Amino acid sequence: GDSVTQMEGPVTLSEEAFLTINCTYTATGYPSLFWYVQYPGEGLQLLLKATKADDKGSNKGFEATYRKETTSFHLEKGSVQVSDSAVYFCALRIQGAQKLVFGQGTRLTINP
Amino acid sequence: DAGVIQSPRHEVTEMGQEVTLRCKPISGHDYLFWYRQTMMRGLELLIYFNNNVPIDDSGMPEDRFSAKMPNASFSTLKIQPSEPRDSAVYFCASSSPGLAGGRGNEQFFGPGTRLTVL
Repeated sequence: GDSVTQMEGPVTLSEEAFLTINCTYTATGYPSLFWYVQYPGEGLQLLLKATKADDKGSNKGFEATYRKETTSFHLEKGSVQVSDSAVYFCALRIQGAQKLVFGQGTRLTINP
Repeated sequence: DAGVIQSPRHEVTEMGQEVTLRCKPISGHDYLFWYRQTMMRGLELLIYFNNNVPIDDSGMPEDRFSAKMPNASFSTLKIQPSEPRDSAVYFCASSSPGLAGGRGNEQFFGPGTRLTVL
């Protein structure tokens, strides 16, 4: 079945460090891919998305590129801030469907 | 737009009691989703509706759980009787494939209801 596997957390970094959170997927057809972020005490918010192979999604300094050949959608940021501390979820949506399939989430903590 | 509204934000109840969680989706959205989040199991889709009709309830854990959507602006998730293992954060989300600007793919989440069953 369709699934998403994320890098296990928690991840702890110092401010201004480079961030990578790995995400790979298994899906039939050509899914759309998403990163959602959950700040403490809040619901999930869409961070970025890509709808076809080689698309790059970007927002708030975060980027992720849809790699069909490696079935991956890794999240990166060049210089993290304390305010980036949150839980990050990778997700996919099969073409024609509305249901999202989420990874298990990766908790990120940035220390000053 | 107020976003997805959930109530209550926190609920503490005793085992065996009935619990009702409420959700108001974003106006105009025709899909509504109920999720449960726990440390052990992560984020699980329980059920989703399209135009008030349940489409997929395969994630509902057992018969103690039921969900309804009597109209386009209101949905409930009921647990009867509740058990301690039901303690979790329950999220409601809504979406609309017809949204302009490429936002039809996006699900908008509410702030969640934190349920504690003692």
